[in-house]
Amino acid sequence: GAVVSQHPSRVICKSGTSVKIECRSLDFQATTMFWYRQFPKQSLMLMATSNEGSKATYEQGVEKDKFLINHASLTLSTLTVTSAHPEDSSFYICSARPRTGGEPSTDTQYFGPGTRLTVL
Amino acid sequence: GEDVEQSLFLSVREGDSSVINCTYTDSSSTYLYWYKQEPGAGLQLLTYIFSNMDMKQDQRLTVLLNKKDKHLSLRIADTQTGDSAIYFCAERLSGTYKYIFGTGTRLKVLA
Repeated sequence: GAVVSQHPSRVICKSGTSVKIECRSLDFQATTMFWYRQFPKQSLMLMATSNEGSKATYEQGVEKDKFLINHASLTLSTLTVTSAHPEDSSFYICSARPRTGGEPSTDTQYFGPGTRLTVL
Repeated sequence: GEDVEQSLFLSVREGDSSVINCTYTDSSSTYLYWYKQEPGAGLQLLTYIFSNMDMKQDQRLTVLLNKKDKHLSLRIADTQTGDSAIYFCAERLSGTYKYIFGTGTRLKVLA
């Protein structure tokens, strides 16, 4: 249990286009989903926290108009990188925190396999 | 600041024990985690420890927590080549569900 998927796993796009990345909790409902960015050989940096049915909370320095987050249901959150540029190339990872009172435990986050974005 | 620090590299021989260390910053963190990341993949939860515990053992994994020094360690017994990966510690900030990840330790297991 506690499987999180991301789609696509890899995407290459031209500069100026927009890219949407999906994050799904497959076997549990997620009240909260998190979006991280990881540069090569570096740690994960939290970009934003997404709560179902409400606006996302962005970390300092993250442009909310560039990285649009939608958490439309308890099992799906999307990250759209708008007008992508080469510096947006990175590994994007989502995680999901299970809904309170259910299984699996809410004590931890479950991570997706990541999406590698390359902007040419 | 919210810096969680780890040593960058660790190399061990197959069959030996590995110890990966982490220092964190938020003394009121309630949970601390260890994740494993293989090349090009997401994060796999290995284990976590609640802040009122000193030690947790799960098969080959032993987690030690020293709250006074804000030091966390992960010991992998009988390290195998399949354990080669990057290991991240993470602290959950008190009063939130936000994680701050460490810099990651790249473990290389030599056959």
